[in-house]
Amino acid sequence: KAGVTQTPRYLIKTRGQQVTLSCSPISGHRSVSWYQQTPGQGLQFLFEYFSETQRNKGNFPGRFSGRQFSNSRSEMNVSTLELGDSALYLCASSLASRGRTGELFFGEGSRLTVL
Amino acid sequence: DQQVKQNSPSLSVQEGRISILNCDYTNSMFDYFLWYKKYPAEGPTFLISISSIKDKNEDGRFTVFLNKSAKHLSLHIVPSQPGDSAVYFCAASAIQGAQKLVFGQGTRLTINP
Repeated sequence: KAGVTQTPRYLIKTRGQQVTLSCSPISGHRSVSWYQQTPGQGLQFLFEYFSETQRNKGNFPGRFSGRQFSNSRSEMNVSTLELGDSALYLCASSLASRGRTGELFFGEGSRLTVL
Repeated sequence: DQQVKQNSPSLSVQEGRISILNCDYTNSMFDYFLWYKKYPAEGPTFLISISSIKDKNEDGRFTVFLNKSAKHLSLHIVPSQPGDSAVYFCAASAIQGAQKLVFGQGTRLTINP
C-alpha cells in the first residue's frame, strides 16, 4: 500500500512569491491534514480537510490556504512568502473513523526555504 | 502558549535498558494522546496512543502511561534497541474524531550500544 506522497520534496522561493504544495493521501483515506515544522515552534497544525471541506483550522494567517479535491488529494498554498515561512511542511492522512482518533500517517514533507 | 511540553530535549540510554520519555500537558480538554517517532528526512510515524479513559496502554516493547490528575504521560521502551534512536513527539487532541493534534517539541532519544 503506497504511503502519503508529497511533492515537491524541496523548493526554494524568494520573499513575496507564492508556493503550492501537493499531497496524495493513502488510498481510502478521506482526511488530510497539514502541519508546519520549524526548529523554534515544533509541529504546528495548519488545517484539516475531509471530503473536500475544511474541518479544522489552526492559528495561521490567511496567507496559508488549502483545498482538497474529490479524489482526496490536497494542496496547500502560501502567498506573499516571508522568511519565517521557511519550514518543513508535512501532510498527513487518516481514515478519520470512530476509535482511530488522531492516528495520522505522515508523508516525508516538503522543505521550503524562503530567501 | 505551549499546551504540550516535552521538557527533555534529549535523552541517552544504554542498549537493553529502559527508556522513559515524559510529556506534560495543560489543556484539560485533551482526551486522546499519541506518541510519534521521527527519523531524519522522514515524516513522523505513529507509535502508540491512549485514550483519557485509560491509564495504561501496551504494545510490545512500548507502554504509555497516563496520569490525568498530574496531566502527565510517559512512554516506556523496554528493552531499548539501537533502532529506537530517533526524535519522539508527544501529541494530544481535544475532540474525539478530530485530527487536530497539538504536538510537543520532541525528545531526541539516543540508544548507546
